[in-house]
Amino acid sequence: DAKTTQPTSMDCAEGRAANLPCNHSTISGNEYVYWYRQIHSQGPQYIIHGLKNNETNEMASLIITEDRKSSTLILPHATLRDTAVYYCIASGGYNKLIFGAGTRLAVHP
Amino acid sequence: KAGVTQTPRYLIKTRGQQVTLSCSPISGHRSVSWYQQTPGQGLQFLFEYFSETQRNKGNFPGRFSGRQFSNSRSEMNVSTLELGDSALYLCASSSNGSPTEAFFGQGTRLTVV
Repeated sequence: DAKTTQPTSMDCAEGRAANLPCNHSTISGNEYVYWYRQIHSQGPQYIIHGLKNNETNEMASLIITEDRKSSTLILPHATLRDTAVYYCIASGGYNKLIFGAGTRLAVHP
Repeated sequence: KAGVTQTPRYLIKTRGQQVTLSCSPISGHRSVSWYQQTPGQGLQFLFEYFSETQRNKGNFPGRFSGRQFSNSRSEMNVSTLELGDSALYLCASSSNGSPTEAFFGQGTRLTVV
C-alpha cells in the first residue's frame, strides 16, 4: 500500500469549510484513496473513498488530482463535532488499512 | 442494522497470561480485520480474515493469532502477554473485502499489569 503524507494538525472555524490535504505520490493504479476519522477513544469512522473521480456524500467531498498523487477532503461546514484525527489511506481494496499519523483537526467556535 | 460488536470492552491481565478477544461483524459481512492502537505506534494492522481464511497479515510476532468462524465472527488471541501489549484493539468488518468501507467496533481496551 502506498504511503500517505498529511499535515500533523489543522485548525478550522466552525461553519467554515475544512480542507484536509493528503499526498500519495506513489499510489498505484488499483489503489483507492480512503478517508477515515477517529474521535477520541472511539473506533475509526469511514468518511469517503474514491479511485480517480471526485466523490461526494452526505459527510464530505473528496477531490483527487488528475495524476492521483494527491487528494483533498472537504468538510463543507465544519462543526465542533468534526474535531477528530483524520486519516488518509491508499489501499488496494482488501479490508486492510495502513494508517499513518493522520491530521488532527481542531474546529473552534 | 446492528454494528460491529467487540467483547469485552475492558480487560486487565497479568504479564505472561493469554487473552482472547471477540469480534462480531455486521450481519452479512465476511471480512474481519484487526488493529492495535497504542499512543506510541498509532493504529497498526494485525491481520485480516475472509471466509475463515487469513488473507493478510501485519508485522506482529507469532504471539498474536486469530481465527474466523463459519458465521464470520472472529477472535484474536495474544499469548504470553507483555506490558507493551497494553492497547486498544479494534476490529473492522467489511462486506467482502473489495473496495468499500470498513466499519469499526468500539474496541477492547487491554491493560497488562
